[in-house]
Amino acid sequence: GDSVTQMEGPVTLSEEAFLTINCTYTATGYPSLFWYVQYPGEGLQLLLKATKADDKGSNKGFEATYRKETTSFHLEKGSVQVSDSAVYFCALSDRWGGSNYKLTFGKGTLLTVNP
Amino acid sequence: SQTIHQWPATLVQPVGSPLSLECTVEGTSNPNLYWYRQAAGRGLQLLFYSVGIGQISSEVPQNLSASRPQDRQFILSSKKLLLSDSGFYLCAWELAASYEQYFGPGTRLTVT
Repeated sequence: GDSVTQMEGPVTLSEEAFLTINCTYTATGYPSLFWYVQYPGEGLQLLLKATKADDKGSNKGFEATYRKETTSFHLEKGSVQVSDSAVYFCALSDRWGGSNYKLTFGKGTLLTVNP
Repeated sequence: SQTIHQWPATLVQPVGSPLSLECTVEGTSNPNLYWYRQAAGRGLQLLFYSVGIGQISSEVPQNLSASRPQDRQFILSSKKLLLSDSGFYLCAWELAASYEQYFGPGTRLTVT
């Protein structure tokens, strides 16, 4: 079955540091890939997505590139802020049960950014 | 624009008591609806999904059930809660066949 593996946290950085959170996947089909962010006490928000190989998703300074050859979708940001502190989830969506899609999530990576 | 609501926001219930969590979506029609559970220190586990009124599929057999009495309403229930039911419950909606899911604010359930 489909699976998503992302780097275990927690990750602690200083403000303005470079961020990378690794994510690799296994899928039987040709999935779409997502990063979701969860701020403390809240639900998940879609951060960015990519639907085909070599697509780059970007939002709020975060970027991730769909690498089919390495089955990866690593999240990066050049300069993190305290407000980026949250849990980040990598996910894939693959066709399931006909015309429906199913999201498979990684376990999440807690990021803490210190001033 | 579309919005998704969940209530209650937090809930503390004793073991063996019933449960009813509600999720409603506004601004869209015929969405796919999902219930997930997030246990402490773990990722999201898909519990139920629904592609239409009265149509419920379960991913994980357990003492929880779901119902969809109206197009934009999704309810998670239990007759008797277990300690292991504690967690953060998230509802999500998706335009049919769009592969993007949008999440509600969640309900924090503590079973004591």
